[in-house]
Amino acid sequence: SQQGEEDPQALSIQEGENATMNCSYKTSINNLQWYRQNSGRGLVHLILIRSNEREKHSGRLRVTLDTSKKSSSLLITASRAADTASYFCATDYGGFKTIFGAGTRLFVKA
Amino acid sequence: ETGVTQTPRHLVMGMTNKKSLKCEQHLGHNAMYWYKQSAKKPLELMFVYSLEERVENNSVPSRFSPECPNSSHLFLHLHTLQPEDSALYLCASSQGSIAKQFFGPGTRLTVL
Repeated sequence: SQQGEEDPQALSIQEGENATMNCSYKTSINNLQWYRQNSGRGLVHLILIRSNEREKHSGRLRVTLDTSKKSSSLLITASRAADTASYFCATDYGGFKTIFGAGTRLFVKA
Repeated sequence: ETGVTQTPRHLVMGMTNKKSLKCEQHLGHNAMYWYKQSAKKPLELMFVYSLEERVENNSVPSRFSPECPNSSHLFLHLHTLQPEDSALYLCASSQGSIAKQFFGPGTRLTVL
């Protein structure tokens, strides 16, 4: 399966702590994207990292990509209760083939 | 989410009913997608339309029938569904194939 797999499946932290989520995939990709979903709602795009990039930042978000290990991580720094959501990685193989993982459920306690 | 709208937001239907889900994007994108999200399962890509032509069809049962009359509108026609088809159906759009996708809020479908 080309599907990305997130780790951990669920994460519970205190407000102010950092949250790290990981994603692994199996075959070469064009890019990798991270999305966020609040319960029962649509997904919101967070960040896209291309296969020739190693790190990207956006506000409190930091994404790394290691193509040799076929893995990516999403770091949310100084987490807030409003960051509580599910986070998905999506691996893009081109030709409209974007495969989403099962997601990491993050709970930030106030 | 405001760039992609979906109606209805909630739908309850019997197995013999026929209904349609509607998606509209206001972003000028040239590709639109239907996804199915079931509890505890990854998001499943159902159909992709690029420039109003279907470019992806992931072995979806024929009781789901997509329609893309123009680049801004996408429909999913439903008939003789099964209870296991109950899920959140998400529409998305993008500009090109290697691009971030913008999602609608979804339609929560319950099949009785």
